[in-house]
Amino acid sequence: ETGVTQTPRHLVMGMTNKKSLKCEQHLGHNAMYWYKQSAKKPLELMFVYNFKEQTENNSVPSRFSPECPNSSHLFLHLHTLQPEDSALYLCASSQGGLLQGNTEAFFGQGTRLTVV
Amino acid sequence: AQSVTQPDIHITVSEGASLELRCNYSYGATPYLFWYVQSPGQGLQLLLKYFSGDTLVQGIKGFEAEFKRSQSSFNLRKPSVHWSDAAEYFCAVGAYNDYKLSFGAGTTVTVRA
Repeated sequence: ETGVTQTPRHLVMGMTNKKSLKCEQHLGHNAMYWYKQSAKKPLELMFVYNFKEQTENNSVPSRFSPECPNSSHLFLHLHTLQPEDSALYLCASSQGGLLQGNTEAFFGQGTRLTVV
Repeated sequence: AQSVTQPDIHITVSEGASLELRCNYSYGATPYLFWYVQSPGQGLQLLLKYFSGDTLVQGIKGFEAEFKRSQSSFNLRKPSVHWSDAAEYFCAVGAYNDYKLSFGAGTTVTVRA
C-alpha cells in the first residue's frame, strides 16, 4: 500500500464508450501524474498537475481528458478510445514541485484498460 | 531532456545467485536516479534513490545501486536473489527543479529454482 489508490483496477470498454479512471492520494502531495504503461515500452508521462494546475500535457490525444478537482484527486476521462490505447494506466504523486526539485514518486497499482 | 536506457530486456538468474541490472542515463547536469520494482499486476514500488552524497546507496529488500558519473550509470545489485525478486525493474532519472521522471523500458527478472 503506497497511499495512492486507483479505481477501477480493471476496465473493459468499447470504442464508443465514455469512462473515467480515478486516482486518490492522502499523502499531502501537491503533484499528481498520469502515466501510460504499454508492454516493453518505457512509461509514458501523459499529464502532470501541480497544485491542481495542469503543467504538462505530453502530446496526449484529446480522447484523454484529465481533471484535478483538488490536490488529492485526479481523474482521467476517456472517450472514443482506440484498441491501441489498451494499456496499464498508472497514477503517481509526489511532494516535489517546480521549485522544490524532484523527489520520490509514489505509484498506485494502476488500471488495466482494454479497449474492444 | 533526460533519458534512460536499460540494455537488458530479460535476465534469468538462479535463486541464491547474485543479480546486476544495468542502467545508463543521459542528462547534462547532476541527475536524480531511482530504481522501481513492479510485481505482476501491481504498481511501481521504489527500491532506492540517489540524490547526492555517497554514490553507493542502499535500498529495501537487500538491493543496492552505485552511481558512476564517469560512466553515466546507476546499476542495481543484489548479492543473493530470492524467488520473490522475480519482477520487472525500472530505472528512472529526474532533474533538479523539475518533477518529471523519465523511465527506462524495464528489465524483467526471472528467478529459477
